[in-house]
Amino acid sequence: AQKITQTQPGMFVQEKEAVTLDCTYDTSDPSYGLFWYKQPSSGEMIFLIYQGSYDQQNATEGRYSLNFQKARKSANLVISASQLGDSAMYFCAMSKTSTGTASKLTFGTGTRLQVTL
Amino acid sequence: EAQVTQNPRYLITVTGKKLTVTCSQNMNHEYMSWYRQDPGLGLRQIYYSMNVEVTDKGDVPEGYKVSRKEKRNFPLILESPSPNQTSLYFCASSVHLDNEQFFGPGTRLTVL
Repeated sequence: AQKITQTQPGMFVQEKEAVTLDCTYDTSDPSYGLFWYKQPSSGEMIFLIYQGSYDQQNATEGRYSLNFQKARKSANLVISASQLGDSAMYFCAMSKTSTGTASKLTFGTGTRLQVTL
Repeated sequence: EAQVTQNPRYLITVTGKKLTVTCSQNMNHEYMSWYRQDPGLGLRQIYYSMNVEVTDKGDVPEGYKVSRKEKRNFPLILESPSPNQTSLYFCASSVHLDNEQFFGPGTRLTVL
């Protein structure tokens, strides 16, 4: 069974600083995808970034980058130049794919990030 | 506007009274899914569907049913709700599971 672990229930970061949110995963499948989502206090789920298990390069989207270390089974999210609007809950998730057909998506328990002045 | 809609957004009901939460997407996505979010547990997948008439269980399917008769709609049915199904429910859709999932706004359900 696949599993996602986010060990940081809460994090603080000062505005304009960079922050890393940890995510480790466990799967025996060779093909999988890794996602990060943001959930602000308003409740909606916002997609941030995606990394495929066969992608050679780390994914980047604006101020977000995914530090993918396959051997360590980690997929940490790095937010550069934090902004007050980055204060939210962040979820790491993994999709299971086999023979080209995707099925389940498993989420971690989340990390609550608070950006301070 | 591309979106996933859910109705109702808020619902308070009583144990045993059947209810349906609707989910509709206008993006012609093949993949749709239901999740529940509970404090400290993150989001857990209830059911998913890879296309019309193709559905499968997620991690917490007990007490729920779904159907996918049309591509755009994926209703979640609680035949006999119980208090442990009090939760925040999200519907999501995507072209494929390895693409960005578009989430609905959520339905907050309370079962008394």
